[in-house]
Amino acid sequence: DQQVKQNSPSLSVQEGRISILNCDYTNSMFDYFLWYKKYPAEGPTFLISISSIKDKNEDGRFTVFLNKSAKHLSLHIVPSQPGDSAVYFCAASKNNAGNMLTFGGGTRLMVKP
Amino acid sequence: DTGVSQDPRHKITKRGQNVTFRCDPISEHNRLYWYRQTLGQGPEFLTYFQNEAQLEKSRLLSDRFSAERPKGSFSTLEIQRTEQGDSAMYLCASSLLGGPNEKLFFGSGTQLSVL
Repeated sequence: DQQVKQNSPSLSVQEGRISILNCDYTNSMFDYFLWYKKYPAEGPTFLISISSIKDKNEDGRFTVFLNKSAKHLSLHIVPSQPGDSAVYFCAASKNNAGNMLTFGGGTRLMVKP
Repeated sequence: DTGVSQDPRHKITKRGQNVTFRCDPISEHNRLYWYRQTLGQGPEFLTYFQNEAQLEKSRLLSDRFSAERPKGSFSTLEIQRTEQGDSAMYLCASSLLGGPNEKLFFGSGTQLSVL
């Protein structure tokens, strides 16, 4: 069973506009959520995280929103830049820490100049 | 560079052969993880170590797979009698237990192709 799902395999946006990537989870034991970014031929790199005690976390152009009742989180990138083009993975853990992660299948973001 | 290092980057082998991968974590990190990623999927957890102790193993890790971290530093992942279904990217990650906002730092992975 897929406990973390990213239903959009790809997303294309224009440079300067907002990118919104979505993620749904099914396991109510998850209490820490992260987004990782992956470029080709590289490992995933940490982007931003949020604890279940919060509903929003912001870091520069990146904001993650958490809706616990809907078991849904989203990543907003504003403004989007061509260098943001990558695969974005949503991940979750049960122990309020960024390890022992369960990943979603990823969303490929393409930012067009 | 003090990031997570994996060797080799690519491995092509014939079905039935044994392969071994190595991971060198960030030097001060005491936790080390192995994940596997197949095409179009996210990474799947395989196992993790805290220092030299293997604390968790996924049911994905069949008895053909074995991982070690003998001195609490580098780790090896061995696959015996490889099968075509073992073809995947094998990712290693490390973290610092108890560090602020503990999070994983990944290596670039070893791409395994079983012919």
